[in-house]
Amino acid sequence: SQQGEEDPQALSIQEGENATMNCSYKTSINNLQWYRQNSGRGLVHLILIRSNEREKHSGRLRVTLDTSKKSSSLLITASRAADTASYFCATDRWAAGNKLTFGGGTRVLVKP
Amino acid sequence: DAGVTQSPTHLIKTRGQHVTLRCSPISGHKSVSWYQQVLGQGPQFIFQYYEKEERGRGNFPDRFSARQFPNYSSELNVNALLLGDSALYLCASSSSGSGANVLTFGAGSRLTVL
Repeated sequence: SQQGEEDPQALSIQEGENATMNCSYKTSINNLQWYRQNSGRGLVHLILIRSNEREKHSGRLRVTLDTSKKSSSLLITASRAADTASYFCATDRWAAGNKLTFGGGTRVLVKP
Repeated sequence: DAGVTQSPTHLIKTRGQHVTLRCSPISGHKSVSWYQQVLGQGPQFIFQYYEKEERGRGNFPDRFSARQFPNYSSELNVNALLLGDSALYLCASSSSGSGANVLTFGAGSRLTVL
């Protein structure tokens, strides 16, 4: 079973617009990460936020974490066609070593 | 530096056969994990190995097995293939066996079972 659920499942926007996707999870976590996947290939790490952090930025990416609501959001600002991909949140827990539990993903289409 | 490499990239098998997938981690990474990704879903954890020892196993049947070699490369074996085993199999490496570690994924091996 999957720990996280992404919302929306799919998102279509114009180039230059912002894209926001959300992730909810079920159990307490250590860290939450976001990964990107292009066309069914390998996943690429985007950003990691620890359970004691509330917000983190990396370039055009902004991630928030609300542990009380067990949810996270990923914002991509000024989107580009190259941002077209599937985005997955993944959580880890102390007892689970390096095991990541992924959500079902949000498929983002950025139209030029 | 080479990233995580996986082979083969694509393969087709028939029900009942077995398959061996191979993975070479990033140089210096001692941990290798395997994930299964069915079309349209997120990756599901299968195994993690660190320093040649199994550190974690996901909710997969005993038909799935893996091992890690002294050079930290790894193999995933699946016996008695079922149609439902058709998926993208992803290998990921990291430098540590635990903690807040980022995984570096290979491009995957796409298995089709007919």
